[in-house]
Amino acid sequence: GIQVEQSPPDLILQEGANSTLRCNFSDSVNNLQWFHQNPWGQLINLFYIPSGTKQNGRLSATTVATERYSLLYISSSQTTDSGVYFCAVRRDNYGQNFVFGPGTRLSVLP
Amino acid sequence: DGGITQSPKYLFRKEGQNVTLSCEQNLNHDAMYWYRQDPGQGLRLIYYSQIVNDFQKGDIAEGYSVSREKKESFPLTVTSAQKNPTAFYLCASSIQGASPEQYFGPGTRLTVT
Repeated sequence: GIQVEQSPPDLILQEGANSTLRCNFSDSVNNLQWFHQNPWGQLINLFYIPSGTKQNGRLSATTVATERYSLLYISSSQTTDSGVYFCAVRRDNYGQNFVFGPGTRLSVLP
Repeated sequence: DGGITQSPKYLFRKEGQNVTLSCEQNLNHDAMYWYRQDPGQGLRLIYYSQIVNDFQKGDIAEGYSVSREKKESFPLTVTSAQKNPTAFYLCASSIQGASPEQYFGPGTRLTVT
């Protein structure tokens, strides 16, 4: 099946710093989402981005489907950005098999 | 408010007991999913359902069962056959289609001792 890698596995930042999280996948996909899992376990949708670039406030994401990677940018990080960031991909057009990466754990220090 | 609810938030059971986790959505989504998350890990798909009265096994279905009698509800039963049931369980839903966006409930933490 499709493999999903995320890097770095852990990231520690000072408040106000910028960061880039990466998601690599082993095959073509037609669905890619970025999620933030907060300390209470809730998964929050950040971006639905099978291709192209999107921005939402301090966060933006770019997916280059032909090169099989996606990037999540966090600018001017805040302590509330702490948590785990997951990317999830799906390949089959009519199946429902989403595959999650292992996540990047982000800690933003005050 | 539209959304996905899971209950209870925390659940404790003795080994050998079956336990059912609830998942309800009012988003009018056709597809629903159950995932398992172990500490420090990503999510793994247990079961999914694209339509009422139909469901498919995911990657780790052994020891679990589901039903989909109503569009809004997709309960998951963790049976005594599941060897390591202690985990965080997340339910999700999406519209039907080729590239659906998934939305998640708040999760249920199950501890079996």
